Amino acid sequence: DARVTQTPRHKVTEMGQEVTMRCQPILGHNTVFWYRQTMMQGLELLAYFRNRAPLDDSGMPKDRFSAEMPDATLATLKIQPSEPRDSAVYFCASGFRDSTYNEQFFGPGTRLTVL
Amino acid sequence: AQKVTQAQTEISVVEKEDVTLDCVYETRDTTYYLFWYKQPPSGELVFLIRRNSFDEQNEISGRYSWNFQKSTSSFNFTITASQVVDSAVYFCALGGSTLGRLYFGRGTQLTVWP
Repeated sequence: DARVTQTPRHKVTEMGQEVTMRCQPILGHNTVFWYRQTMMQGLELLAYFRNRAPLDDSGMPKDRFSAEMPDATLATLKIQPSEPRDSAVYFCASGFRDSTYNEQFFGPGTRLTVL
Repeated sequence: AQKVTQAQTEISVVEKEDVTLDCVYETRDTTYYLFWYKQPPSGELVFLIRRNSFDEQNEISGRYSWNFQKSTSSFNFTITASQVVDSAVYFCALGGSTLGRLYFGRGTQLTVWP
């Protein structure tokens, strides 16, 4: 049963520390998304990649957030330095874009708490 | 602009009642997709259904059914004979014609009491 995996599942850190979240998309998927869920903003897109190239990162605060895909099996989201307002659940999702539309499959999320 | 509105923030029902979750969307695209996701207390997002803008047929899957009406820009979700396990937050989402970003509503918290 293919699934998107995310690590860590929970992270508690102090303000100013670097946070790295990792995502392993479903094997063969060519599109990877990062979403953030907060009570205030709901679910919002931070960035997404196709074939490892960034297509849209307009939802991501550029000064402290960065997203990369070092290879097809790994996507990372980094926050440096972290702030309390970054506390949220961060979801990774993957999908395969071809001639037909395919849905996005979400990982279990990383719950981040910044103290 | 793409927008999804789920006006019902919370709904409480007693087991075996039918419940309908409302979803209204805005888009200028002629081709688009609508989705429903379920988020149980464990936190993951579970895909329930995808519907494209050219298919207005209602769909039924077990106790779940979906009513898509382009004339009112609505994509409502009905659970028949609700069960305690249906308790979750349900999200409606809008996507473009190709695999890309989803625009989510704020979600409806459904609580089913025994």
